[in-house]
Amino acid sequence: GESVGLHLPTLSVQEGDNSIINCAYSNSASDYFIWYKQESGKGPQFIIDIRSNMDKRQGQRVTVLLNKTVKHLSLQIAATQPGDSAVYFCAENRNSGAGSYQLTFGKGTKLSVIP
Amino acid sequence: NAGVTQTPKFQVLKTGQSMTLQCAQDMNHEYMSWYRQDPGMGLRLIHYSVGAGITDQGEVPNGYNVSRSTTEDFPLRLLSAAPSQTSVYFCASSYQQNQPQHFGDGTRLSIL
Repeated sequence: GESVGLHLPTLSVQEGDNSIINCAYSNSASDYFIWYKQESGKGPQFIIDIRSNMDKRQGQRVTVLLNKTVKHLSLQIAATQPGDSAVYFCAENRNSGAGSYQLTFGKGTKLSVIP
Repeated sequence: NAGVTQTPKFQVLKTGQSMTLQCAQDMNHEYMSWYRQDPGMGLRLIHYSVGAGITDQGEVPNGYNVSRSTTEDFPLRLLSAAPSQTSVYFCASSYQQNQPQHFGDGTRLSIL
């Protein structure tokens, strides 16, 4: 079946380096994508989103890239800090018919920042 | 503005017991949803609501009921708890469906 997934389950980076977290999706009809950060014991926290009519979107220290040709999504975190340590999820908002949308999550990547 | 509030934070049930997980939001969001999070499986959608009086099934609805009598509240009911329903449950809301959802901090539920 179609699903959203992540290439790497864990990622360790040195403090100050840039982090790149990847995500593959298989539903070509999805038109809205979201990255969430989840810290231990907390609910997912919205980081950044992108719609299918865009290739790139930037926020504060974060950039999301969307490649619709290969159905790939990535989250780039600049100058990674210890506070960035968390599990990161990509999610796609699929149109499930009759104007209804359902958010489908990937399994997550655990980012560990080495001081 | 408290955002999305879930109660209780922790609960232990015996098989066959019933229970209601509460979710409330004070952001006047039309869209609300329930997810469960299991290890290695990410979050899966249980039920959702696009507005008061309207609910629909998500990916894993079996064993759960919902209702949406007000814009603010979206309770999730387990009719007869089973060990397979041991999970962390998250409620989320957004202004509309195709917009970022705000999540509560979850209810950790164990079924013995």
